[in-house]
Amino acid sequence: GAVVSQHPSWVICKSGTSVKIECRSLDFQATTMFWYRQFPKQSLMLMATSNEGSKATYEQGVEKDKFLINHASLTLSTLTVTSAHPEDSSFYICSARDGGGEETQYFGPGTRLLVL
Amino acid sequence: SQKIEQNSEALNIQEGKTATLTCNYTNYSPAYLQWYRQDPGRGPVFLLLIRENEKEKRKERLKVTFDTTLKQSLFHITASQPADSATYLCALDPGADGLTFGKGTHLIIQP
Repeated sequence: GAVVSQHPSWVICKSGTSVKIECRSLDFQATTMFWYRQFPKQSLMLMATSNEGSKATYEQGVEKDKFLINHASLTLSTLTVTSAHPEDSSFYICSARDGGGEETQYFGPGTRLLVL
Repeated sequence: SQKIEQNSEALNIQEGKTATLTCNYTNYSPAYLQWYRQDPGRGPVFLLLIRENEKEKRKERLKVTFDTTLKQSLFHITASQPADSATYLCALDPGADGLTFGKGTHLIIQP
């Protein structure tokens, strides 16, 4: 199956700093990528849909100015958590659909964020 | 609002038996339903996708059924092995947007 990578795999930062997470599709082009967040023992919650060349679509309750998304190419989407606070500590996971019409979403390995 | 429920937080099965996991949903008509495996600290790994017009799909030791009338999917692992121990996630797929996940069922296969 298709491979999606994320970087970094984990990050620890001080409160008030910004953190950028990269999501790459390694062997396919992804016109659409998705960002999820997962708190301990909870389900993955969709945060936003990242569309190549256009603005991201955010789910209700997700602040677009807090979670900046850039989908600059068909293989890269970035999520920037701005002015991070301890409550932003979570497991952030991206996924991508193969732009060739494949229905399956392929997930990255996730990024563990800890804000002190 | 959409609601998706998976049968229990933990399911203990003896090695070699068939494990059956349940996914029920309400207020939704998904185009597809997907099953994923998630290990601790890792992203979900795709297992099977079943379309709304399909009743059953198989892949090696895995079998998924989809009943759109009951709004239920069953996920079966036959000849279960300790390596099958993980959390299994059911996800509703509208076809173009992001997925709606259940909380998952933690499956433990005991030797």
